[in-house]
Amino acid sequence: AQKVTQAQTEISVVEKEDVTLDCVYETRDTTYYLFWYKQPPSGELVFLIRRNSFDEQNEISGRYSWNFQKSTSSFNFTITASQVVDSAVYFCALSEPTGNQFYFGTGTSLTVIP
Amino acid sequence: DAMVIQNPRYQVTQFGKPVTLSCSQTLNHNVMYWYQQKSSQAPKLLFHYYDKDFNNEADTPDNFQSRRPNTSFCFLDIRSPGLGDAAMYLCATSRERGSTNIQYFGAGTRLSVL
Repeated sequence: AQKVTQAQTEISVVEKEDVTLDCVYETRDTTYYLFWYKQPPSGELVFLIRRNSFDEQNEISGRYSWNFQKSTSSFNFTITASQVVDSAVYFCALSEPTGNQFYFGTGTSLTVIP
Repeated sequence: DAMVIQNPRYQVTQFGKPVTLSCSQTLNHNVMYWYQQKSSQAPKLLFHYYDKDFNNEADTPDNFQSRRPNTSFCFLDIRSPGLGDAAMYLCATSRERGSTNIQYFGAGTRLSVL
């Protein structure tokens, strides 16, 4: 079973629009960590955020915000006033204490059109 | 400045010809990982080193080997590349093992097999 689901394969928005990238996860652990990474065309996966399962506070960092809801097992990512430089593939990932790897979702490819 | 450096960025090899990909890190992290990422897919963990302790994922083909001569360097050896091994190979590091640890990625090496 897929531990992390990113149902949106590709999204296109016009510059300055807001966009939300969905992430749904599945785990039986009560302690776990969720991550978002950005992969621009250059290929490097860039860390954006880490959130532990006990901290349900939403987080805002500049134009980025994250909405963590344990009740729906979701960890959605919103970009406000999108810019062309936001064009990338975004991966959501889950890390469980029993293992040592990230369970990545399949990624959402975001294209911001100028 | 890049903290996880992968060389080369692009590698072309012939079917069956051994190839080695290189990764170095300036973070002094204990753990180094190798991922394989095929087009439009999530990164897939091949193996990781915790210090000198090698940990292979169960489904990693025997064709893939790794060496970590010291803390800073880790190599991925593909003994007999097949066409199906063409992919982006990502190296990552983390300070320690466990779900809390952020993984920092290099820019990747894109391998082509002719």
